[in-house]
Amino acid sequence: DTGVSQNPRHKITKRGQNVTFRCDPISEHNRLYWYRQTLGQGPEFLTYFQNEAQLEKSRLLSDRFSAERPKGSFSTLEIQRTEQGDSAMYLCASSLQGANTEAFFGQGTRLTVV
Amino acid sequence: QKEVEQDPGPLSVPEGAIVSLNCTYSNSAFQYFMWYRQYSRKGPELLMYTYSSGNKEDGRFTAQVDKSSKYISLFIRDSQPSDSATYLCAMGGRGGSEKLVFGKGTKLTVNP
Repeated sequence: DTGVSQNPRHKITKRGQNVTFRCDPISEHNRLYWYRQTLGQGPEFLTYFQNEAQLEKSRLLSDRFSAERPKGSFSTLEIQRTEQGDSAMYLCASSLQGANTEAFFGQGTRLTVV
Repeated sequence: QKEVEQDPGPLSVPEGAIVSLNCTYSNSAFQYFMWYRQYSRKGPELLMYTYSSGNKEDGRFTAQVDKSSKYISLFIRDSQPSDSATYLCAMGGRGGSEKLVFGKGTKLTVNP
């Protein structure tokens, strides 16, 4: 499979629990992005990596959120002490480095906090 | 005012119709303009990618960018029921696909 892969596809968790999502980008892509999409809205940027370096974080990414890309390949997004407002689709995308490059999205992880 | 405005619809057309989808934006720094298609409960799929003003055609799809008016469009010719999806416009600055700003998406239904 040459696309962006995200796991799990669905996650239901109780409020207050921690959750972790994984993203495997397209293998030759050195940029990796995380977005969040709530119902009826477009995706909103959370953060992005170039190789293992986290270059930008949105103010949407509260202290309870942390993302890593330790070896410049796959990435994880952890949410601590989940709240009902965290319920959303979490999307990962990847691209090559450079301005005129396209970002390709995975199928997303749908999080439901009950 | 949001950076990117997109009418969420819904838009319903008969099969074979020409569909016009539009977005306006306020940030003059946007240089890269994309259209993504998103089926229900799936991730966005890139349809068209354009740089600066002008037209780009790919099969039944044509993307137009008018930077002077801060207005972009996607036209779908000979629409098919399989085109039924939500269409998202997205925009990037100098960094291209870094930190894309999306519209809300327009939900399109093509009726057989």
